[in-house]
Order: sequence, then C-alpha cells, then structure tokens
Amino acid sequence: SAVISQKPSRDICQRGTSLTIQCQVDSQVTMMFWYRQQPGQSLTLIATANQGSEATYESGFVIDKFPISRPNLTFSTLTVSNLSPEDSSIYLCSVGEGGLDQPQHFGDGTRLSIL
Amino acid sequence: SQKIEQNSEALNIQEGKTATLTCNYTNYSPAYLQWYRQDPGRGPVFLLLIRENEKEKRKERLKVTFDTTLKQSLFHITASQPADSATYLCALDSSYKLIFGSGTRLLVRP
Repeated sequence: SAVISQKPSRDICQRGTSLTIQCQVDSQVTMMFWYRQQPGQSLTLIATANQGSEATYESGFVIDKFPISRPNLTFSTLTVSNLSPEDSSIYLCSVGEGGLDQPQHFGDGTRLSIL
Repeated sequence: SQKIEQNSEALNIQEGKTATLTCNYTNYSPAYLQWYRQDPGRGPVFLLLIRENEKEKRKERLKVTFDTTLKQSLFHITASQPADSATYLCALDSSYKLIFGSGTRLLVRP
C-alpha cells in the first residue's frame, strides 16, 4: 500500500496567519483527500484534491479558507488561512486506490494549535 | 437525518476475550462498509471492507458482519491482546465519499 508522508506533524500558529500542510505519496495515486479530525470526533472530509484542476470542496468548507493544490499525482498541499482558535484540529491527508470499494491510506496527520 | 453511531464509551475487556464493536447507521444505503484502527497520534489504518451482499468477512483474528436490514455492522476481535488497544472507526460510502463514525476506544487488559 502507498506510504504517505505529511508535514509538519504539528505546529502552533498565531491567529490571523496561515499554515500550509504538505502530503507526499511514494507512488502515483488517483484520489487524494483532506480530512479534519477534532478531538474525540470523527473524520470530516474537507475536500478531494484533483490533479490539474480545482479541488472539490464539501459543504461548509470553502476555497478561500482551505486552498488546496495538487500539482501532480504524488503531492498535495492544504493551506488553512486566517487562522482562528476554531481551526485547532488534526488535519489528515489520505489517498485512495480507486473507488469506494477500495481502502484509503492515511498520513499521520498535522496537529494544529492556535494561540 | 443521517447518522453513523459507534459506542462513545470505551470497551474494556480482559486479554484473551472476544471484543465486539458496533456500528449503526441511519438513512444511509451503503454498498460498502470499512473498518479502520487508529492509534494515538497516528492516522487511521485500514483493516477490513465488507460489501452489502456479504454477510461476513474474516481476516486472521478479525471478523466483520454487515446486516443491511438492521443497518448495523459488528466488528469482532477474537483472542484479544493488549496490542489490540486502539480506537476503531467504521466508515461507509455515501455518494462519492467515505463517512466516518466517531470511533470506539478498545482497552485490552493483560
């Protein structure tokens, strides 16, 4: 299965700043996803990162707040913009092998805290 | 409204016993249901996938059942070990994405 490296593993940021999270995969993958996991909560899909086109955002998530890039089939970035305390969470990248009848493989996440 | 429910209380069992975790869903019609394990500070790790036309799936000490009438999946770990202690998440497909439950924490006492 794919090996996913996510950076940084954690960060503490000031309000109003932005953080960019990187997700690198060791093989070419079709599907890449970004999730948020708040403490004690389930994973919530932010968006699907599409190679060569704009990401597909879920309800409640907008491009201005969570811009995503996917320049190729092995790499994606998620930026969390204009940080506020409500953005304190774990952000996870995952990759899929195809359809929803296939498993997803996750990075270890980025733990973000806002001062 | 649509819901996926997993027991939020931790399941605490003795080593060697069988752990049974429950995933109930409402107002979904999944074709697939997946189970993942998540350790503290780590991302979820895929364990098993079961299709709607499969009643049961096994992998080593793990067994998953899927009852589309009851809208429920059960996840069993037989001969449990302390190393099985983790949070277990169920996930089902809805449209084009996976929807995750909030997970149940399993503690296996030596």
